[in-house]
Amino acid sequence: QQQVKQSPQSLIVQKGGISIINCAYENTAFDYFPWYQQFPGKGPALLIAIRPDVSEKKEGRFTISFNKSAKQFSLHIMDSQPGDSATYFCAASKGGMRFGAGTRLTVKP
Amino acid sequence: GAVVSQHPSRVICKSGTSVKIECRSLDFQATTMFWYRQFPKKSLMLMATSNEGSKATYEQGVEKDKFLINHASLTLSTLTVTSAHPEDSSFYICSARRDRANEQFFGPGTRLTVL
Repeated sequence: QQQVKQSPQSLIVQKGGISIINCAYENTAFDYFPWYQQFPGKGPALLIAIRPDVSEKKEGRFTISFNKSAKQFSLHIMDSQPGDSATYFCAASKGGMRFGAGTRLTVKP
Repeated sequence: GAVVSQHPSRVICKSGTSVKIECRSLDFQATTMFWYRQFPKKSLMLMATSNEGSKATYEQGVEKDKFLINHASLTLSTLTVTSAHPEDSSFYICSARRDRANEQFFGPGTRLTVL
């Protein structure tokens, strides 16, 4: 069921640095690509999402880059902060969400 | 707006018993609700899709007789884990979607532990 591949598995970034997480998908029927942030014991919270007719979307410190031809999309977190330390999931959907494996981000002070 | 709640947040039960988990959309009508399962330090896996008033659609490999889903109203879906066993212990998360919008709103999850 792993239709979305996510990397890296874990990421350590210094405070103020840029965190980059990458995802790739196979099913061209997917029409919605969100990124979620999850803290331990909590449900996932939507960070930002993009549709395939847009190549980039920015909301605050979070940017999604989307490459439809390569079937890849990525999340950039600018000016990373210790409070950003969490697990991040990319997903793709046409109905139910198909999640990537997750990236555990640690931002060191 | 767009708040989804789950009840209970944690449940511990004995092997062989059945457990019901509720998912409610508090401030919107959810035409579609989804149920996911998440093992520790793993990703969320879609279990089933439920539309109000119709039978749920289960993902491949998910036993429909084991995980009973009912979506009786536009604000409530329930997941019943029947004859639970220790291997059913997991974090169960629901999400709700209104109309045909893409965005799904996730509940806080329910931690099920089967002894």
